[in-house]
Amino acid sequence: DTEVTQTPKHLVMGMTNKKSLKCEQHMGHRAMYWYKQKAKKPPELMFVYSYEKLSINESVPSRFSPECPNSSLLNLHLHALQPEDSALYLCASSHGQGPRGTEAFFGQGTRLTVV
Amino acid sequence: GDSVTQMEGPVTLSEEACLTINCTYTATGYPSLFWYVQYPGEGLQLLLKATKADDKGSNKGFEATYRKETTSFHLEKGSVQVSDSAVYFCALSPGSGNTGKLIFGQGTTLQVKP
Repeated sequence: DTEVTQTPKHLVMGMTNKKSLKCEQHMGHRAMYWYKQKAKKPPELMFVYSYEKLSINESVPSRFSPECPNSSLLNLHLHALQPEDSALYLCASSHGQGPRGTEAFFGQGTRLTVV
Repeated sequence: GDSVTQMEGPVTLSEEACLTINCTYTATGYPSLFWYVQYPGEGLQLLLKATKADDKGSNKGFEATYRKETTSFHLEKGSVQVSDSAVYFCALSPGSGNTGKLIFGQGTTLQVKP
């Protein structure tokens, strides 16, 4: 199983809403990532969790709050977002160490629209 | 800092034509190099990888060789199909103090016409 599963696939939320994006992998990977991708641009790293601890926060606004409940799950909690936060949010995972440490597998993404 | 530069797109080819998408990188240490493909409306799929100099990654008829002397990792395919139409991203993972972070190029859109 080389799959990273993201839910929901599409999400429309108002600027006062609170919502969460979910990501799950069962490959035994110990590193998990959130990326944000705007149209016709490459993915931009937001957060990295390594062994369930937050290891990188790329100066992401606090209206995005990541959570790693266990080694298989990664959430992204959203609150008071702005229309410019509309994008494709991608989750990824990798072994996190060794020669395959950075071979990342991506989910299908959640297409987020903030209205 | 580390960076990846890809050729500008879009690239438009006829079916069965040869493909080359250029990718060069700037990095300290010994990065790992990757090509990812993104089909319309989907996430990224790892296409191929190389972890050290002179390694050749290959998958689905695509190839790329890690050239340290020219700091390049060009993607090639001998005969493209319509189904290869997608956006291709070259990426590197820094070799030193590796945090698992991927640094992407800007992406190259490939359109293959029948």
